[in-house]
Amino acid sequence: EPEVTQTPSHQVTQMGQEVILRCVPISNHLYFYWYRQILGQKVEFLVSFYNNEISEKSEIFDDQFSVERPDGSNFTLKIRSTKLEDSAMYFCASSGQGMRPQHFGDGTRLSIL
Amino acid sequence: EDQVTQSPEALRLQEGESSSLNCSYTVSGLRGLFWYRQDPGKGPEFLFTLYSAGEEKEKERLKATLTKKESFLHITAPKPEDSATYLCAVQASSNTGKLIFGQGTTLQVKP
Repeated sequence: EPEVTQTPSHQVTQMGQEVILRCVPISNHLYFYWYRQILGQKVEFLVSFYNNEISEKSEIFDDQFSVERPDGSNFTLKIRSTKLEDSAMYFCASSGQGMRPQHFGDGTRLSIL
Repeated sequence: EDQVTQSPEALRLQEGESSSLNCSYTVSGLRGLFWYRQDPGKGPEFLFTLYSAGEEKEKERLKATLTKKESFLHITAPKPEDSATYLCAVQASSNTGKLIFGQGTTLQVKP
């Protein structure tokens, strides 16, 4: 069964450093998303991406965040200057057309020191 | 403001003891309500989509129902392997795919 894959599974970074989280969505999906989950809290929407453009972003997704689909398979989330409060589990998800359900990867645990 | 609230936060059942999880929502036009299962250290795993009040979906021991204000996930004769956190999420008609999640119900089924 096709699945969303994320790398790395765990990233430890010093505060102020740049980090790139990588995702390979399901191959025939067209819509891509990033969510995050701070320990003990709800899963929160960050950004949605379709047709090489951001279609919606949350208040969390400020100028420090960016997304890119550099080729036909990868989808990345970059945080330019990490803060302690960026420590969380980051999930990538993808979906097909219309109201198809989103399928999630197993996440990258980001720890900011 | 769009919002999802799940109850209870935690539920302990004996194997075979049926129960229901609740998901209450307020949203500006519902496009869909989704149930996911999340195991520790894993991403949410899709279970069901419900689109309109009165709709029901079933999968093994799980059955999801939807009204205009809430959804229930009924678990019939649960087994220990059903232990997980169950997440409810809604997609509003005003946005572009964004899911709004509840905080989840952590289910523990004891043998």
